[in-house]
Amino acid sequence: EAGVVQSPRYKIIEKKQPVAFWCNPISGHNTLYWYLQNLGQGPELLIRYENEEAVDDSQLPKDRFSAERLKGVDSTLKIQPAELGDSAVYLCASSPRGTDSYEQYFGPGTRLTVT
Amino acid sequence: SQQGEEDPQALSIQEGENATMNCSYKTSINNLQWYRQNSGRGLVHLILIRSNEREKHSGRLRVTLDTSKKSSSLLITASRAADTASYFCATDGIGANSKLTFGKGITLSVRP
Repeated sequence: EAGVVQSPRYKIIEKKQPVAFWCNPISGHNTLYWYLQNLGQGPELLIRYENEEAVDDSQLPKDRFSAERLKGVDSTLKIQPAELGDSAVYLCASSPRGTDSYEQYFGPGTRLTVT
Repeated sequence: SQQGEEDPQALSIQEGENATMNCSYKTSINNLQWYRQNSGRGLVHLILIRSNEREKHSGRLRVTLDTSKKSSSLLITASRAADTASYFCATDGIGANSKLTFGKGITLSVRP
């Protein structure tokens, strides 16, 4: 079974530029998560989707961050414009059910560096 | 905000020894999960323990949960060099909008 796929693995951009991350969850997993992980910290939830609906985006900085999950499968997370403080690892995860009472399967992450 | 706090922050042991990692949390939970993260990789789920469970085993892993003390421990027996990684506890809160909240993690180094 293929795991969660993310691309790109690494991205270096200048501040004020836009950037997008892509995630393909495990087949059949209805729930998709985007997390931000700063160095030396645990992941922090940005947004959770159940199918194509964003059910929890309370931690997503909506002035510059946006996300979509068209057709309830792949998802894209965008930052526009990027700031120096956005440098972090962006993790995508999926799970088979609509609650957090199940394990989550994580992708390898996208390491973003904003210069 | 991060609810789970792991202890110690870093642990270095010899191969073959046991490693014990602790996690404390603040609010009531539905379940608690432990994850491992190797350098530069995503997180891998290790074990989940529900709030009505006290102990659970999976291979060389043993996790305990004390809801009265709001704490959990993860024991890795007979450690191997390949166990070198960061370990995170994550708590799943109660309610429709609950989410997994991760701690800062414990860095485990197993010396060959």
